[in-house]
Amino acid sequence: LAKTTQPISMDSYEGQEVNITCSHNNIATNDYITWYQQFPSQGPRFIIQGYKTKVTNEVASLFIPADRKSSTLSLPRVSLSDTAVYYCLVGDIHDSSYKLIFGSGTRLLVRP
Amino acid sequence: DTAVSQTPKYLVTQMGNDKSIKCEQNLGHDTMYWYKQDSKKFLKIMFSYNNKELIINETVPNRFSPKSPDKAHLNLHINSLELGDSAVYFCASSQREGGTYEQYFGPGTRLTVT
Repeated sequence: LAKTTQPISMDSYEGQEVNITCSHNNIATNDYITWYQQFPSQGPRFIIQGYKTKVTNEVASLFIPADRKSSTLSLPRVSLSDTAVYYCLVGDIHDSSYKLIFGSGTRLLVRP
Repeated sequence: DTAVSQTPKYLVTQMGNDKSIKCEQNLGHDTMYWYKQDSKKFLKIMFSYNNKELIINETVPNRFSPKSPDKAHLNLHINSLELGDSAVYFCASSQREGGTYEQYFGPGTRLTVT
């Protein structure tokens, strides 16, 4: 499984755009990149998933360069409620043995 | 309606006891999971069942035994509880067959062993 590296923590202010970058140098051909969000005392919640280029949904955008060795989760105009831990995960979602391997994540603190 | 529910939400018990945590999902998913999140906040998968069949069995003590009576339920039974079992246990579900593999997590069960 490809190892992921992301910043331990980030600070931002309300209304700003936040970009969290994840490094996955050993990503395999069939691997997808998935991001989850976890609020205190709650289970993780799926945010977005992509394979290459750019993916956008109502919550976030995911930018993946051509070499796929990194990815960037972009949260537009964050609010206080976006304070959470964000996990980057990489794996072959179509493999029967696919499982989520969570790292330490990035703790995002949004200030007023 | 709660998609993935767990009971109980809190569980305080003494060392050596046996306890169970129940999980139910009403999403019609074919796969369910148990995760453990320890005091350092690391979230680790323990087990996974696909259509009632065990497909992931990580290295956990055999005091932990999952049971899936049907596709919508996955229970976790823990024998001879130890202090180190104190953690938050999360149940999750996903649709593997023809699905997106997105996992939906329950609210967690905070287990405290004294």
